[in-house]
Amino acid sequence: DTGVSQDPRHKITKRGQNVTFRCDPISEHNRLYWYRQTLGQGPEFLTYFQNEAQLEKSRLLSDRFSAERPKGSFSTLEIQRTEQGDSAMYLCASSPGTGAGYTFGSGTRLTVV
Amino acid sequence: SQQGEEDPQALSIQEGENATMNCSYKTSINNLQWYRQNSGRGLVHLILIRSNEREKHSGRLRVTLDTSKKSSSLLITASRAADTASYFCATDADNYGQNFVFGPGTRLSVLP
Repeated sequence: DTGVSQDPRHKITKRGQNVTFRCDPISEHNRLYWYRQTLGQGPEFLTYFQNEAQLEKSRLLSDRFSAERPKGSFSTLEIQRTEQGDSAMYLCASSPGTGAGYTFGSGTRLTVV
Repeated sequence: SQQGEEDPQALSIQEGENATMNCSYKTSINNLQWYRQNSGRGLVHLILIRSNEREKHSGRLRVTLDTSKKSSSLLITASRAADTASYFCATDADNYGQNFVFGPGTRLSVLP
């Protein structure tokens, strides 16, 4: 297993366009997390899944954001009608269970122009 | 909401010196973790310490936890230039490890 994979690494999009990111977690991990990180700040929690169930969503996750994890495997994060404020690094992480350390992917850097 | 706060915000030391970073948090926790992040990359898990533990070691890393003071420290001994990175603490306040809340981080520079 090569760890958590995120695709794409970089995405530049025009304001108002939709974007979708993909995360492939470690296969044995049933928990998958999405975080957002802006320059000079720590990661901010967006949402998390246990298997295919989305169990918690942050207030940061406006109705323009949607995340899925079909069949409890990979996950996608979609942002509709992107805004310049959405520019950030989007990080995916997985873990084997409660209280365990996270394994992070390298992130997808989104730039909205 | 931000639960943990690292101190200092930035730290610059010479290679071979020890680096100490602190994390304070507001509400009770079950677990506290430390992560490292090299510029533009994902975070790497360093150590997880549970609320009933006071100290943990991993190689050149030593983490302490004082639940009475709601604080933790990360000590890196005999620092190397490769230790240059941002270091974050993360706590699972109030949600039994459902998700971890990260602080803003300490940016460590180790000068050769």
